[in-house]
Amino acid sequence: DAKTTQPPSMDCAEGRAANLPCNHSTISGNEYVYWYRQIHSQGPQYIIHGLKNNETNEMASLIITEDRKSSTLILPHATLRDTAVYYCIVTGSNDYKLSFGAGTTVTVRA
Amino acid sequence: DAGVIQSPRHEVTEMGQEVTLRCKPISGHNSLFWYRQTMMRGLELLIYFNNNVPIDDSGMPEDRFSAKMPNASFSTLKIQPSEPRDSAVYFCASSPVGQTSRGYTFGSGTRLTVV
Repeated sequence: DAKTTQPPSMDCAEGRAANLPCNHSTISGNEYVYWYRQIHSQGPQYIIHGLKNNETNEMASLIITEDRKSSTLILPHATLRDTAVYYCIVTGSNDYKLSFGAGTTVTVRA
Repeated sequence: DAGVIQSPRHEVTEMGQEVTLRCKPISGHNSLFWYRQTMMRGLELLIYFNNNVPIDDSGMPEDRFSAKMPNASFSTLKIQPSEPRDSAVYFCASSPVGQTSRGYTFGSGTRLTVV
């Protein structure tokens, strides 16, 4: 029972912003949106998470719609090293289980 | 901080042999997770420990799989006997307390091939 829907793949030009969408129309009031990425042959890496407000850190920005039914992860200046599978995960603050779907395969091209 | 350390990085074994995967979580993290990743099934949670106690092992596929956490700095995942369908990448992850503001930290994984 998937809680999130992501496009299977997307391309991005190096140096440009990459906007990764995620739909989570059944999200509950106490559930967070988490983003992880997995670079080839590495373990998943935490990127960012949010509840209602937009969030920004050194890696990315997270924009959550007002109704919280969708969100967008923004990589402001994509580099070749950002090529990875990006996972959008919805989970409760006290829920230990991360359910990884298929994610979005992002390819950054020179 | 060396991060989550897994060993070995690669393991090739023959069907029927015992395989032991090892994990050293980040110091101070009291939650530890074992995940398995395959092309067919993606990333699956196998077992979750909190304060060295197994809390949820519902993802362990069958009795051939067992996991232990004898202390806060070490965990093992054992497969006995191994089968070709166990071939996968096994990841260990740790966090201070379940979900945190920094998420889970994953190790680099052990790629297991059973021939």
